[in-house]
Parts: sequence; C-alpha cells; structure tokens
Amino acid sequence: EIVLTQSPGTLSLSPGDRAALSCRASQSVSSNLLAWYQQKPGQPPRLLFYGASSRARAAGIPDRFIGSGSGTDFTLTITGLEPEDFAVYYCQQYGSSPFTFGPGTRVDIK
Amino acid sequence: QVQLQESGPGLVKPSETLSLICSVSGDSLSVYYWNWIRQSPGKGLEWLGYVYQSGSTNYNPSFRSRLTISVDTSKNQFSLNLKSVTAADTAIYYCARGQTVRGLEYWGQGTLVTVSS
Repeated sequence: EIVLTQSPGTLSLSPGDRAALSCRASQSVSSNLLAWYQQKPGQPPRLLFYGASSRARAAGIPDRFIGSGSGTDFTLTITGLEPEDFAVYYCQQYGSSPFTFGPGTRVDIK
Repeated sequence: QVQLQESGPGLVKPSETLSLICSVSGDSLSVYYWNWIRQSPGKGLEWLGYVYQSGSTNYNPSFRSRLTISVDTSKNQFSLNLKSVTAADTAIYYCARGQTVRGLEYWGQGTLVTVSS
C-alpha cells in the first residue's frame, strides 16, 4: 500500500498569499495518477486536478491552482489565495490498489 | 449533469451489517468504476472499493473480508454492504464515480452512519 504524507498539517495564511502544499508518496505513484481534492466543512471532496499536473484541471477550477510533481513528490500551489480557498486539501493516488489518501493540509486564515 | 446520492440507515448496531445504496442520475453505470469511500475523524479518508458495470470489483484488503459492493444496472444504483460493524466503522460514507485517468470526479454528498447500540 502506498502511504501518502502531506505537509504541513496546517497553513495559516492571509488572502492574497501564496500557498505551497506538499504530498509525498512512500513509493512511486504509477503513471503519476495522483489527484488533489479540496474539501470544505459539510461538503464532499471536490476534484481539483488529476494526473498530478494542473494541465489536467477539473472543470471550473481556477488557474490559480497549480499542480506539479512526479514519482514520489507532488506539490499543489495556490497563487493568490481567495477567501473561498480556505479549506482542507487532500492528495490521493489511484495508480495502484488500494487507492490511498493523504491526511490532508488545512489552509486557514491567519 | 452527473449526480450521486447515498441512502440508507443512519444508525446500525454493533455486529450487524451496514447497507447503503448510491443512486446515480445523469449518467449510466457503463465505462466508469463506482466507488465507496468513507471519512472519519480518526482515520481520514479511506477508499473501500469499487465495482464496474459488469459486476467485477476491487476491494481494499483492509475491508475485503467484510465488504461487498454490487451493482444494479436496471435501477442505475450500486450498493455497499459492510458486515460485522463496530464503532470504528462510524463515518461519513461517500459514493463516487471514478475514471481510470481522471480519478474520482463526482461525489455524493455523503451520509453519516453511526454504529451504536
């Protein structure tokens, strides 16, 4: 089973700041099949992008969300935080079974 | 527009079977794989397994001995049965549509299931 580690656990930032979230896998993610999700209280996770890269951005996701990385190291960057971006972010690998999620990074308002 | 909706009892007694249904609208069950995921404060998000339209399944080994996921194409639904539940199975259960490249694109709103006597 691939274990995903996310850091930091919490990011306290202000609107307009840049956020950099890390996701590291215990072994290489097959075909870079890694997704990022955003979750707000009382809502299900929302897919941001898949295949590790922001080139595969889900519908309606603003381009201030940028995904990068490959192999075992992946990054979600949010350039210019908007008020609606304060949430919990999860990475998930779906390249090998069992699919696994990271523990999440909470981005909250400083 | 694809929509998924979970339904089932919100309270299950220990040692009994947790049964949920996911109703899919705006899409057929073909092509994609149909997942169950749960979320609890203690364990975060856990993928339980998925089923294809054909009925073939893939389960998380941690749940394989207790879990059955099945599909009913005539009703455009798929279901989860988790037997011998304990308090540790208390969680929000989500159903989601999966695609090989695009991951888990669409999710239901989730349903809270509490295991308690």
